[in-house]
Amino acid sequence: DAGVTQSPTHLIKTRGQQVTLRCSPKSGHDTVSWYQQALGQGPQFIFQYYEEEERQRGNFPDRFSGHQFPNYSSELNVNALLLGDSALYLCASSLGEQSTDTQYFGPGTRLTVL
Amino acid sequence: AQSVSQHNHHVILSEAASLELGCNYSYGGTVNLFWYVQYPGQHLQLLLKYFSGDPLVKGIKGFEAEFIKSKFSFNLRKPSVQWSDTAEYFCAVSVRGSTLGRLYFGRGTQLTVWP
Repeated sequence: DAGVTQSPTHLIKTRGQQVTLRCSPKSGHDTVSWYQQALGQGPQFIFQYYEEEERQRGNFPDRFSGHQFPNYSSELNVNALLLGDSALYLCASSLGEQSTDTQYFGPGTRLTVL
Repeated sequence: AQSVSQHNHHVILSEAASLELGCNYSYGGTVNLFWYVQYPGQHLQLLLKYFSGDPLVKGIKGFEAEFIKSKFSFNLRKPSVQWSDTAEYFCAVSVRGSTLGRLYFGRGTQLTVWP
């Protein structure tokens, strides 16, 4: 039973560039959430996708956007990268979007912006 | 402000010592509570969770946590730690209602266990 997978593992970009991160949920899960984890901090919620729609969003600018595909996989896009976007980006999947639905995390994508 | 607080940023223990990591939250309404662990080089894993019922919940690897509603706390405990418990521990909260499955995390506690 495959867990949550993310690609790429590491990524180096320069300021102003755009980046796309990918996530495949755990088998049978239909909901994907994205989190940003800065060094020394806990994960911060970016947004959650369910039924191919963004269901809720955290306090992140519009430069952060996403998409969920019919097979429940998801992408996170960040435009006009800033140095402060350097972080570990985590994808979590769950069966359902409710607060009691346990989220399972992937290994993350480490983004470095130079 | 709404938050999840983990007051101990780094805890150092010897093997067989007892562990208690504090977690306090400030969200109103009905909450669900979680402890996640991140072992070196691995992804976040769920240790235990509390939704309702018995406020003392048991998780994997001998961990347990107690929900004290009056103190807005959900402290993690283990009677005897092992070297393999060295990891970063995150307390998280979700709020029933409008925020659906959004998790609010504390900043984490790094636990180092010396053999």
